[in-house]
Parts: sequence; C-alpha cells; structure tokens
Amino acid sequence: AQKVTQTQTSISVMEKTTVTMDCVYETQDSSYFLFWYKQTASGEIVFLIRQDSYKKENATVGHYSLNFQKPKSSIGLIITATQIEDSAVYFCAMSPLSGSFNKLTFGAGTRLAVCP
Amino acid sequence: DPKIIQKPKYLVAVTGSEKILICEQYLGHNAMYWYRQSAKKPLEFMFSYSYQKLMDNQTASSRFQPQSSKKNHLDLQITALKPDDSATYFCASSQDLGGRAETLYFGSGTRLTVL
Repeated sequence: AQKVTQTQTSISVMEKTTVTMDCVYETQDSSYFLFWYKQTASGEIVFLIRQDSYKKENATVGHYSLNFQKPKSSIGLIITATQIEDSAVYFCAMSPLSGSFNKLTFGAGTRLAVCP
Repeated sequence: DPKIIQKPKYLVAVTGSEKILICEQYLGHNAMYWYRQSAKKPLEFMFSYSYQKLMDNQTASSRFQPQSSKKNHLDLQITALKPDDSATYFCASSQDLGGRAETLYFGSGTRLTVL
C-alpha cells in the first residue's frame, strides 16, 4: 500500500518570496507518479505539476517546481515569487505505474498563507 | 464555464435517508472517478469508471453505488445515510484510465451533511 505524508500543517510567507512544501511517500513500486494539487478557498481542486519517478529531471511549470529526491522518497514543491492568490491548501499525491486505475493516494495537505 | 459539473453543491440529509450526487463532465474524457474528503481523512479514492464500466471500488460499504447512464455522467447513490458519511464528495475525470497515470480534473464537490 502507498502512503503519502505531509508534515507541515501550515506555512505563512511574505508575498514575492519562495516557499518549499515537503512531502514524503512510501511505496513498494519501483516506478510511480507523483502529483501536486492545490485546493482553493472555494474548494476547487486544481492540478499543478507532476513528476514521473523514472525521470531524473525535476519538473517545472510556471512558478512551480519540484525537488524530487528518489533515494529519500521525497517530492518537495517549490513556489517562487509567491503571490497572494497562491494562498491555498496544497496536496501531494501519488499513483502506481500500472494497475492503478488512477487511484491517487493523497497526503493530508499543507495550508499556505501568503501575506502582503 | 466549469467543465465538471456537480450537483447539488450542498446537501443536508437525515440519518437513514438516501441521496444521489450528480456529476457530469464536458471534457470529453473516458474515465471518471469519485473521491471523498472528510474532516478526519485526506482525499480518498472511492471508485473509478472507464467507458461506463466499473474498474475499481475501494469503498467497503455497498451503501455507495455509482451509476453511469452516459459516458460523461457518473452519479453516486448513497443509501441508509449515516452521520459518518458527512464529507465533501468530489467527482473527477481523466482522458483515459490506463497504465500511465493520467492527470485528474476535479469538480467543485458536493458537501454532504448527515444529521
């Protein structure tokens, strides 16, 4: 069984700074997929970025990037130049490579507050 | 315009009753899912469907029954409601359901409260 752990319950940062959110995972699979999603105050859940475990290069999308450390089973989300609208709850999730039927296992989430 | 429509947004029910949560997606996706988010647990996978066929069921209780009348519809019928069923239920979809994990797109959720 897979497990995803986000130890940071909440983080508060100043606008325009960089923030890193931690996520560690457990899996028996040699290959898997990792995702970050964002849940806004309205409850909407939005896909942000993904990392395929067999890719060594860290994924980057806009001002989101990942710090993937496979030996440590860690996939951190880095947000640069944070904006007020980045305030949300961020979820880390993972899926096995096959037979998964897209059954994501989610972490408990990290609440990010970006202050002006 | 929202591409995944869930109805209703809020739902209040009494213990023992039955409710149906509606989900329609207009993304042209072939796979649909139900996830649940409660105060006590993170987002949990419930069901997955591909081309209207049930592919995976991680819900222990038979009180939860998905229903797919069309490829872009996946409703969730919940019978004999209990207070523990109180949660926000999210419908999601992806292009396909195959060996390579697909990005999921979520609806805005139905918040169910069981009194």
